[in-house]
Amino acid sequence: GAGVSQSPSNKVTEKGKDVELRCDPISGHTALYWYRQSLGQGLEFLIYFQGNSAPDKSGLPSDRFSAERTGGSVSTLTIQRTQQEDSAVYLCASSPPGTVNTEAFFGQGTRLTVV
Amino acid sequence: GQSLEQPSEVTAVEGAIVQINCTYQTSGFYGLSWYQQHDGGAPTFLSYNALDGLEETGRFSSFLSRSDSYGYLLLQELQMKDSASYFCAVGLSGGFKTIFGAGTRLFVKA
Repeated sequence: GAGVSQSPSNKVTEKGKDVELRCDPISGHTALYWYRQSLGQGLEFLIYFQGNSAPDKSGLPSDRFSAERTGGSVSTLTIQRTQQEDSAVYLCASSPPGTVNTEAFFGQGTRLTVV
Repeated sequence: GQSLEQPSEVTAVEGAIVQINCTYQTSGFYGLSWYQQHDGGAPTFLSYNALDGLEETGRFSSFLSRSDSYGYLLLQELQMKDSASYFCAVGLSGGFKTIFGAGTRLFVKA
């Protein structure tokens, strides 16, 4: 596609359930990031993938959060046993080679609501 | 720790010039980026400074001073559509991690 695609756009789940959020980066982009944004707040780094290198998971808030990137393209962020404090917009971004750390292209995000 | 500080809100008049400041504390970084985000939308890239000095992109300019741990985004000829949140971000040295400030909400009045 032309841009970063995320699905679903909205997700309402019950506390304790697991959720999977999907990100399709722009074709050819080697770097992929996940961020979390609470209402009216800044972007909180969660994890990034760069090519075949080991991902930087330093931003994941707890072991309930995990992410994978298959074939260097699509990424899935999984939240197990969701809690109400997990409610936020989860943003995915990708960057082409040579522009990592300078310019990132963001998807529209998945708005997660835990009830 | 590593952090970026921005004013929470700025208000300006249509046609005016506004400056949004960003001060940072990091041990090392590649450069300073700026992003715009409209309500309900995705952040979009505006500008990047790898070196000290001013970068100009149309009505938007961005400045970096590493010695002062400071940067700013300058918006000229403000338009109503510029009402949005603006985030500064730094790419940390030694990897590919980028951290963002909490954002500055700009209100443009007629």
